[in-house]
Amino acid sequence: GESVGLHLPTLSVQEGDNSIINCAYSNSASDYFIWYKQESGKGPQFIIDIRSNMDKRQGQRVTVLLNKTVKHLSLQIAATQPGDSAVYFCAENKFPGQGAQKLVFGQGTRLTINP
Amino acid sequence: NAGVTQTPKFQVLKTGQSMTLQCAQDMNHEYMSWYRQDPGMGLRLIHYSVGAGITDQGEVPNGYNVSRSTTEDFPLRLLSAAPSQTSVYFCASSYGGQVTNEKLFFGSGTQLSVL
Repeated sequence: GESVGLHLPTLSVQEGDNSIINCAYSNSASDYFIWYKQESGKGPQFIIDIRSNMDKRQGQRVTVLLNKTVKHLSLQIAATQPGDSAVYFCAENKFPGQGAQKLVFGQGTRLTINP
Repeated sequence: NAGVTQTPKFQVLKTGQSMTLQCAQDMNHEYMSWYRQDPGMGLRLIHYSVGAGITDQGEVPNGYNVSRSTTEDFPLRLLSAAPSQTSVYFCASSYGGQVTNEKLFFGSGTQLSVL
């Protein structure tokens, strides 16, 4: 099965609330993690990434947290908007130091925004 | 820049037919890759390339061939299509070649049905 998994396949939040999407990974040696957003009928779109030497990274309305102790990754979206409705994927570079990166993706979480 | 361009967007094949999915990028990226996306399974890596003339297998390479004669193009060939290859296929590219962690830029996908 996938080494990168998600705790919840679906998440519904009220517009304006903060969203938190969680992800677990299995390889403690993974050194790079990335979040993608995929809207219906489109390809995945980059949101934010983080390297294993960091615990937190912030972007515009998004924050990624990395907890290497429990091998957990989360994506926080502030003040969720209708346009945030999509499927969110986390991915890890599962084979660091073994040549070019090979990102392994989780199954995805569908985020639905309620008006 | 057009980014990553995939053609065709939709394709229906009969079992045993062959076809080539085209992928081109105009960002001078060294790394290119092919993923397939099946419901509930995220994206799985088929083949990747770290530069012209160099290709390697990903997680699910069986039934697919690739070549990289130029930096810009990375076609995916199905020599004898099978119903199990019904999926959505995504091409992706990034700046890095060997041993780098870089975000991937994805195309809009090819939806393939094999009857």
